[in-house]
Amino acid sequence: GAVVSQHPSRVICKSGTSVKIECRSLDFQATTMFWYRQFPKQSLMLMATSNEGSKATYEQGVEKDKFLINHASLTLSTLTVTSAHPEDSSFYICSARAVKGGTYYEQYFGPGTRLTVT
Amino acid sequence: GIQVEQSPPDLILQEGANSTLRCNFSDSVNNLQWFHQNPWGQLINLFYIPSGTKQNGRLSATTVATERYSLLYISSSQTTDSGVYFCAGGPSINAGGTSYGKLTFGQGTILTVHP
Repeated sequence: GAVVSQHPSRVICKSGTSVKIECRSLDFQATTMFWYRQFPKQSLMLMATSNEGSKATYEQGVEKDKFLINHASLTLSTLTVTSAHPEDSSFYICSARAVKGGTYYEQYFGPGTRLTVT
Repeated sequence: GIQVEQSPPDLILQEGANSTLRCNFSDSVNNLQWFHQNPWGQLINLFYIPSGTKQNGRLSATTVATERYSLLYISSSQTTDSGVYFCAGGPSINAGGTSYGKLTFGQGTILTVHP
């Protein structure tokens, strides 16, 4: 249980175009999902918290107009990188928060999306 | 915000050896997880362990919440254990607040197990 999928797994786009990444919780409902960014040989950096039915909460320094997040249902959150530039190239990972035993929450991660902007 | 320090940054082992990875937190956390990131980038949940000790096969973890650290033990290591191990922690869910169970990640320990 607690499986999270991401699509696409890999995408190459031209500078100036927009790219949408989907994150789905396959066997549980997630009112809260998270989006992370990971550069090569570095740790995960939280970009934003996605809440179903409300606006996302962005971490300091993350441009909300560049990274648009939509959490329209209890199983789907999307991240759209708008007007992508080469510096946006990175590994983007989503996670979904699952209730465990009715008493605590645990985050489960998708397999990631590797974005390359040329 | 919370600072998370992991040690060692790199670890090289021969198959069959045991190892201990450590995670220190700058502040109290009520939400602590250990992950293994495989070579393809997938994070695999190892433990949810805000306090106490848990074991799962050759892996076990201990968190001493009052001293703000957690340990991950790997026994009889195998080549498939290679990868990056992350700990991550954060405040508990804050009803009505904005924490929503956010996790701050450490820098990771890169484990290489040679046959």
